[in-house]
Amino acid sequence: AQTVTQSQPEMSVQEAETVTLSCTYDTSESDYYLFWYKQPPSRQMILVIRQEAYKQQNATENRFSVNFQKAAKSFSLKISDSQLGDAAMYFCAYRRRRSRLTFGEGTQLTVNP
Amino acid sequence: ETGVTQSPTHLIKTRGQQVTLRCSSQSGHNTVSWYQQALGQGPQFIFQYYREEENGRGNFPPRFSGLQFPNYSSELNVNALELDDSALYLCASSFTSGATDTQYFGPGTRLTVL
Repeated sequence: AQTVTQSQPEMSVQEAETVTLSCTYDTSESDYYLFWYKQPPSRQMILVIRQEAYKQQNATENRFSVNFQKAAKSFSLKISDSQLGDAAMYFCAYRRRRSRLTFGEGTQLTVNP
Repeated sequence: ETGVTQSPTHLIKTRGQQVTLRCSSQSGHNTVSWYQQALGQGPQFIFQYYREEENGRGNFPPRFSGLQFPNYSSELNVNALELDDSALYLCASSFTSGATDTQYFGPGTRLTVL
């Protein structure tokens, strides 16, 4: 079974600084997708960024980028120029095509002014 | 805004009762998935519907059941409620095709079982 591990229950960053959230996963599949979702106090799960496993290039969405290391099964999220609105619970998630999402336990990010 | 809506926002039930939660998918989406998120944990997959048929199920008992309608809206039904069913229930919709079918989530329904 696929598992997703987020080893940092909590992280904090100063406003305008950069922070990296870690995620590792376990799978025997070769074709899959990885995601970072953000869940603010409103509890709405918001897609932050997506990575296809067959792509070697790391995904980037504005201030958010990933470091995808397929051999190491590692998928970290880098947030640059952190803003107060980035404060939330961040979930790493794995998915085979057309299948369920498997989530990690989450990392609570605090942004200090 | 994802275009996925859920109702009701909050719900309080007592043990042994039955509950129905509703989800309206984003326009153009043909797949809906339901997740249960206990406090302080990541969401857990309950089941998925594609074109009105269940095509995947997580480790949940049969008292958790669902429906998907021709307009791709969906219901989650839970019978014989237990205290441990208290959680946030998330609905996610996607368009299943040959390409990536990213799931977009609704705002959730908070269920409290007393």
